[in-house]
Amino acid sequence: GQSLEQPSEVTAVEGAIVQINCTYQTSGFYGLSWYQQHDGGAPTFLSYNALDGLEETGRFSSFLSRSDSYGYLLLQELQMKDSASYFCAVKGGFQKLVFGTGTRLLVSP
Amino acid sequence: GAVVSQHPSWVICKSGTSVKIECRSLDFQATTMFWYRQFPKQSLMLMATSNEGSKATYEQGVEKDKFLINHASLTLSTLTVTSAHPEDSSFYICSAAPRDNEQFFGPGTRLTVL
Repeated sequence: GQSLEQPSEVTAVEGAIVQINCTYQTSGFYGLSWYQQHDGGAPTFLSYNALDGLEETGRFSSFLSRSDSYGYLLLQELQMKDSASYFCAVKGGFQKLVFGTGTRLLVSP
Repeated sequence: GAVVSQHPSWVICKSGTSVKIECRSLDFQATTMFWYRQFPKQSLMLMATSNEGSKATYEQGVEKDKFLINHASLTLSTLTVTSAHPEDSSFYICSAAPRDNEQFFGPGTRLTVL
């Protein structure tokens, strides 16, 4: 089967740095994506890693280690608007995405 | 660019009726679209892959006769929930990938079956 595990909830304060981990077990792997979803909204794309290493996009960075079947999303300089759910997703064959269990991030003042 | 729309944004229907949800790519052509279902506080589960000009490919456990998918053109895919029941109440989201590695999602349709 396929599984992607994430912590269910993470809390942090404004200005802090938080890391959301994702471990995966999938039958096919082309890359790992991260999506943000606010309550009642659509997922929005944050980043994608096909190769090992760190990808940086503004305040967000994403890391992948294919040998460890592990990745993480790093959010820096947290803002209140970053409170949302974050999903890792494995890209498999035919552009299919398999989503992780999701992490609810709560940023407090 | 890369905008995906869905209609309706929410719908309430009686048990036993059918509901059609439309997914459109507004500024690009999509030979492939995807349909997901999301229950409250849960992850997105892929239901099916919608292919323009051919039959949809359903994920294991998804009833193809209950969730009818039609990809009529390069910009439109529809999902029809037939004989809906309360357990079908969920958030249905479509997506398309105009370029590799990045899927764009529609705003979702919240279905409530009474």
